[in-house]
Amino acid sequence: GAVVSQHPSWVICKSGTSVKIECRSLDFQATTMFWYRQFPKQSLMLMATSNEGSKATYEQGVEKDKFLINHASLTLSTLTVTSAHPEDSSFYICSAIYWAQYNSPLHFGNGTRLTVT
Amino acid sequence: DAKTTQPNSMESNEEEPVHLPCNHSTISGTDYIHWYRQLPSQGPEYVIHGLTSNVNNRMASLAIAEDRKSSTLILHRATLRDAAVYYCILRDHGGSQGNLIFGKGTKLSVKP
Repeated sequence: GAVVSQHPSWVICKSGTSVKIECRSLDFQATTMFWYRQFPKQSLMLMATSNEGSKATYEQGVEKDKFLINHASLTLSTLTVTSAHPEDSSFYICSAIYWAQYNSPLHFGNGTRLTVT
Repeated sequence: DAKTTQPNSMESNEEEPVHLPCNHSTISGTDYIHWYRQLPSQGPEYVIHGLTSNVNNRMASLAIAEDRKSSTLILHRATLRDAAVYYCILRDHGGSQGNLIFGKGTKLSVKP
């Protein structure tokens, strides 16, 4: 089955530093990737949608200059949390889909737990 | 996106069937009913989806009401590994985005 790999699975960083999270589709071409954020005991919230080769579309309230998304290839998207602060500590999850199969299930990575100290 | 309503939590005993309900009274004709589950500290995992007819796969069964305003996910024999948050999501297959909007889901606890 389709596999999405997310790296790292957890990261601790100091306030003010930047952190990059990678999301890879291992056995299919992901023309679209979605980035979600999940705070403790809450549901997943969609942050942005990224289509390969174009700029990401951010959901309302998500700062595009703080959460930089790059989707330069059909198998890799990255999310960079810039100048991280403790309130950015969260569980970040990516998912991927091939555009021609929008009626297919979404494939999710296993998430990255970010802790900002 | 049409909204779904699920109980916050449910409990089950191991090896017994579990019926997880979902109400979606504002479902539209092009909305598919999707179920995902999320185990602790993991990303969501696809379980099953359907449009009008009941569906079965190796993980679960999906029973859809005739008016499509509600559905039930059925785990035939719950195991401890089925303890997770189960999300019922309506997804418009005619839409262009393909993303999923998650509600709060039902937290299923399985007792040995």
